[in-house]
Amino acid sequence: QSALTQPPSVSGSPGQSVTISCTGTSSDVGSYNRVSWYRQPPGTAPKLMIYEVSNRPSGVPDRFSGSKSGNTASLTISGLQAEDEADYYCNSYTNSGTWVFGGGTKLTVL
Amino acid sequence: QVQLVESGGGVVQPGGSLRLSCVASGFTFSSDGMHWVRQSPGKGLEWVTYIRYDGINKYYADSVKGRFTTSRDNSKNMLYLQMNSLRAEDTAMYYCARYRGQGNCFDYWGQGTLVTVSS
Repeated sequence: QSALTQPPSVSGSPGQSVTISCTGTSSDVGSYNRVSWYRQPPGTAPKLMIYEVSNRPSGVPDRFSGSKSGNTASLTISGLQAEDEADYYCNSYTNSGTWVFGGGTKLTVL
Repeated sequence: QVQLVESGGGVVQPGGSLRLSCVASGFTFSSDGMHWVRQSPGKGLEWVTYIRYDGINKYYADSVKGRFTTSRDNSKNMLYLQMNSLRAEDTAMYYCARYRGQGNCFDYWGQGTLVTVSS
């Protein structure tokens, strides 16, 4: 049950776009479209941003989008805003019947 | 609205036990699977365990298998996590989260309860 691999940090200026990758294996990300993304500002609980690779829950801006290719999923945030600064985590279901999170990525808005 | 409120955290010595609770409201608790997720101080999220809506199927992370047990009481809208043989590395904020089957995601989270394992 190794954690999915995410870059420790990414950054961008307001208005720009950033992409956070999430690399797993053929036992998790590569086998299922059960990939989701969560945002966690400091000191708060995680919040669902994307589910089943590319779907947005109601209330999440369309600046947030998700995709997947092979064993790697990606979260793209366009039109960066200061409020987007937070930690982001991916999650996938696995063929062991368990779930696994990524190590997390700290997004800094310059 | 959906609410999840954890309780039961505290300071416990290595080798000790603790039971966490999560009370749910705002949805039909008996229809949804539930997870526990933890986060050690300054670290990332770690999935801990899942229990199906009827309590029959349960899954655990290798790091807690054999030491932690998840259960639920649908008549009381309660989720539990019994933690035994606690280790320093179990120190973390523990969150309960609802599993949305239509979407395969953790769609609502509690605010967490802090467990500290220390002598």
